[in-house]
Amino acid sequence: EAGVVQSPRYKIIEKKQPVAFWCNPISGHNTLYWYLQNLGQGPELLIRYENEEAVDDSQLPKDRFSAERLKGVDSTLKIQPAELGDSAVYLCASSLCPTGTLTGPLSYEQYFGPGTRLTVT
Amino acid sequence: EDQVTQSPEALRLQEGESSSLNCSYTVSGLRGLFWYRQDPGKGPEFLFTLYSAGEEKEKERLKATLTKKESFLHITAPKPEDSATYLCAASSGGGADGLTFGKGTHLIIQP
Repeated sequence: EAGVVQSPRYKIIEKKQPVAFWCNPISGHNTLYWYLQNLGQGPELLIRYENEEAVDDSQLPKDRFSAERLKGVDSTLKIQPAELGDSAVYLCASSLCPTGTLTGPLSYEQYFGPGTRLTVT
Repeated sequence: EDQVTQSPEALRLQEGESSSLNCSYTVSGLRGLFWYRQDPGKGPEFLFTLYSAGEEKEKERLKATLTKKESFLHITAPKPEDSATYLCAASSGGGADGLTFGKGTHLIIQP
């Protein structure tokens, strides 16, 4: 079974330029997450989707970041314009929450992609 | 606010030398405690989920345990290939909630 696919793996851009990251989750997974990971830190949640709906984007800097998940499958995360402080690894993860459990008492494991390493110069 | 703290930040062991990694958590209503392994340049790889105090899970040389305030990842007779960063994460929401991660423990196993 294929895992979470992300592209590109690496991206170098100049500040003020736009950039986009793409994620294809594990087939059949109904939830998708974007995380940001700085060097030496754990991942930090940016946004999570339940099917095609963004249900938690409280940590997404909405002045420059946007995301979409069309048809509840693939997702794109965009930054426009990029700043030097945006240099980090952007991770996508997905999980399968059984029907009727999206707000249930238990959390389910998330599977991560390899990430996109962004360098802003 | 949910918090996850891991210790030590780094640990160097000789091959075969057993040890434990600690994860302290403060969440309002734990819905799951997760352990991940992360190799350089890769995304986190899922290891274990624990749901209630007293629960234990094992996989090869690794065993994860959970109390009401902490989780431990015990590594028995480690090998050099166990070298990685081990991340602990907690969820206080149900179902598809996001995870709060610790900073990780960087583990090096010397042959």
